[in-house]
Parts: sequence; C-alpha cells; structure tokens
Amino acid sequence: NAGVMQNPRHLVRRRGQEARLRCSPMKGHSHVYWYRQLPEEGLKFMVYLQKENIIDESGMPKERFSAEFPKEGPSILRIQQVVRGDSAAYFCASSPSNRNTEAFFGQGTRLTVV
Amino acid sequence: DQQVKQNSPSLSVQEGRISILNCDYTNSMFDYFLWYKKYPAEGPTFLISISSIKDKNEDGRFTVFLNKSAKHLSLHIVPSQPGDSAVYFCAASRNAGNMLTFGGGTRLMVKP
Repeated sequence: NAGVMQNPRHLVRRRGQEARLRCSPMKGHSHVYWYRQLPEEGLKFMVYLQKENIIDESGMPKERFSAEFPKEGPSILRIQQVVRGDSAAYFCASSPSNRNTEAFFGQGTRLTVV
Repeated sequence: DQQVKQNSPSLSVQEGRISILNCDYTNSMFDYFLWYKKYPAEGPTFLISISSIKDKNEDGRFTVFLNKSAKHLSLHIVPSQPGDSAVYFCAASRNAGNMLTFGGGTRLMVKP
C-alpha cells in the first residue's frame, strides 16, 4: 500500500508563472489536507478537501491559490502568478475520515520561485 | 496569532537519557493533540496522540502528558537514541479532526 504521493518533489518557477502541485492520497483515503511550511516555521493548514468538494479553505490566501480534488485523479494545489514569498515546502496529508484517525503526510513539494 | 507554541527551538540530549519536549496552546477548544517527527526533506511522521479526556498516553519509549488547566503538553522519550534526532512538531485540533494547528517545532539532537 503506497503512501501519500506528492509530485514533483522539487519545483522551480519564475515569478509570474503558475505552479501545480499534485497529491495522490493513500488507497482508501478520501480526505485530503494541504499544509505549507515556510522556512524555519511550522506547518500551516491551507485547505481540506473531500472528493469533488472543498470542505474548509480558511487557510488559503484569498488570491492566486486554488485547490481541487476531482472524482478521478490526484488533488491539485494551483498557485497562479507565483511570487518569491510563495517559496516553501507544501505538504499534503490524507486520512480515511476526518475524525479520530491520524492523517498521513506525503514527502512534500519544495517550491522555489526565482 | 500563534495558538500552539513550542518555545524551545532546539534540545540536545545524551544517548540513553530522557528527552522532554514541551508545547503550550492557547485555544481551549482544542481537544486532540498529536506529536509528529520530521526528518529533513521528508514529510511529518505521526508519533503519538492524546485526547483531552486523558492526561497521559504511552507507546513504547514515547509518552505524552497533557495538563489541560495549564494548556500544556509534553513528549517524553526514554531512553533517547541517536535515531531520534529530528524536528518534533506538536499539533492540535478541534473535534478530533485532521485540520491541525502546528507549533514551530523543536530540533532534538541525541548525542552518542
């Protein structure tokens, strides 16, 4: 049973480009969470999705950031018109439910904006 | 507004001794607490958790203590091993959910 798969592991984008980060949850997991870790900081919650639904996006910046988890395929975190401040490690976690179970994290995507 | 704080950015311990990592929180609505371990360039790995209805949970060398009145929890690792060297994150949630609020992490170094 493969773990949570994130790709790419490393992504370099120039300012103004778009970044797409993908997350395939563990088999049987229908709940996906995205977190961002800025350098020397802890992880910050961004968005919680279930299949085809955004449940909570209270941690998402209001502009340029969007997320989806389609019926088929991985969850996608999309950042439009990237800026240097978007450089961070982005982690995805999945769980079989949202209560009383641990979420399992992927290895993350390290985004560098140059 | 940092709702979960880990005030010690780093901790150095001799192999075989006890490691104690501390975490404070401010939001009294948190009812589920977790500790994660993280190696460089990897995702966090779940270690141990505790519900607010308990004050202690033990799993092998790892024990988590919760003091609700002080809004404080700690992770004890005994005996500490060099392989325990990593960054440890405390996290909290409401309604035992998985939308976690993380502390800033404590880097533990266990010296042989």
